[in-house]
Amino acid sequence: AQSVTQLDSQVPVFEEAPVELRCNYSSSVSVYLFWYVQYPNQGLQLLLKYLSGSTLVKGINGFEAEFNKSQTSFHLRKPSVHISDTAEYFCAVSGTFNDYKLSFGAGTTVTVRA
Amino acid sequence: EAGVAQSPRYKIIEKRQSVAFWCNPISGHATLYWYQQILGQGPKLLIQFQNNGVVDDSQLPKDRFSAERLKGVDSTLKIQPAKLEDSAVYLCASSSRSGVGGELFFGEGSRLTVL
Repeated sequence: AQSVTQLDSQVPVFEEAPVELRCNYSSSVSVYLFWYVQYPNQGLQLLLKYLSGSTLVKGINGFEAEFNKSQTSFHLRKPSVHISDTAEYFCAVSGTFNDYKLSFGAGTTVTVRA
Repeated sequence: EAGVAQSPRYKIIEKRQSVAFWCNPISGHATLYWYQQILGQGPKLLIQFQNNGVVDDSQLPKDRFSAERLKGVDSTLKIQPAKLEDSAVYLCASSSRSGVGGELFFGEGSRLTVL
């Protein structure tokens, strides 16, 4: 089975500053990795995913994440945040063979202040 | 394209009562999931359907929770009798593939409060 740990439960950040959300995963097999965002009172929306190939993955709204196999990490970054990026962010993992269900982390709440 | 529809959005019940949630996935999506999201935690998979068959229900508390997906389209999740710890948001998601690296599309969720 796979699992993820999101290392920060809350991240306050000023508008136009960079932000990094940390995610570490645990698995004995190859994995697929995902970041989802949940805006207030809305469902989860896919930001980006890593399946294979380039370890630097670009997603929507200017977000990117880097897969690091040796450190079992998949940190999410954005160089300059906006007020509209205030949301909860979830890292998720699935297996790559015969076990594709998503396991989510506990989430990181990002609050962007002017 | 219409998204995943869920109802009701909010429900308040007393413990030991029953409740049912409905989900209509995106048209043509064969795979449907029900997740439970307790406040402060990430979503936890309750059950996964592929068409109208159950793929995984290992984390569904079967003594009180049940789910069905008749005709392989919409789905109903039922809780009977409800406990205080069932207070959560119940998320429905669908995907066009069996989940292999595929994107899950989520509904807005049904928030349950058990008093």
